[in-house]
Amino acid sequence: AQSVTQLDSQVPVFEEAPVELRCNYSSSVSVYLFWYVQYPNQGLQLLLKYLSGSTLVKGINGFEAEFNKSQTSFHLRKPSVHISDTAEYFCAVSDVNQGGKLIFGQGTELSVKP
Amino acid sequence: DGGITQSPKYLFRKEGQNVTLSCEQNLNHDAMYWYRQDPGQGLRLIYYSQIVNDFQKGDIAEGYSVSREKKESFPLTVTSAQKNPTAFYLCASSIGTKYEQYFGPGTRLTVT
Repeated sequence: AQSVTQLDSQVPVFEEAPVELRCNYSSSVSVYLFWYVQYPNQGLQLLLKYLSGSTLVKGINGFEAEFNKSQTSFHLRKPSVHISDTAEYFCAVSDVNQGGKLIFGQGTELSVKP
Repeated sequence: DGGITQSPKYLFRKEGQNVTLSCEQNLNHDAMYWYRQDPGQGLRLIYYSQIVNDFQKGDIAEGYSVSREKKESFPLTVTSAQKNPTAFYLCASSIGTKYEQYFGPGTRLTVT
């Protein structure tokens, strides 16, 4: 069965510093991968997605993620964070071949401090 | 403007009452979902529907019911059998279950 592990539940970082939010998945088949952001008391917003092609995916708000098939990872990065990036971030995976549903990780709370 | 609407934003009910949460989408998506979110627990799938007049239980369906009579609508009823109904409820839709989901703004339900 598929599963998604977000290795850090909380990530504190100073403004303008780089950040990496880690996501690993377990699956023996081809997958689609997604990152979402959730601001307090709001729904989730899609940041970026990997369906096929280039393993480096660029998303909104200056975020990017790299698909690493051998390490089954899809880490999210931003070279310089802003206070406004403070939010919860969710990684999700789906099984390409079996039409499975999205499986979400438990979330990583990013806290950007001045 | 295409999107998903959930109403109301905040809902208050007395214990023992059933309550129905609304979810409407105009994205022409086939699949729709209901999630429950509690602090520190991520998203938990309640029910999902891949097509009109069909739906499947998710991981925590007990105490909830849904219907899918129209493609654009997927209401969720929180029944009095749900032991801990106070939570943030999120509705989502997608073109297919393996593709990205688009989320509504959520409904915060408080039961006292």
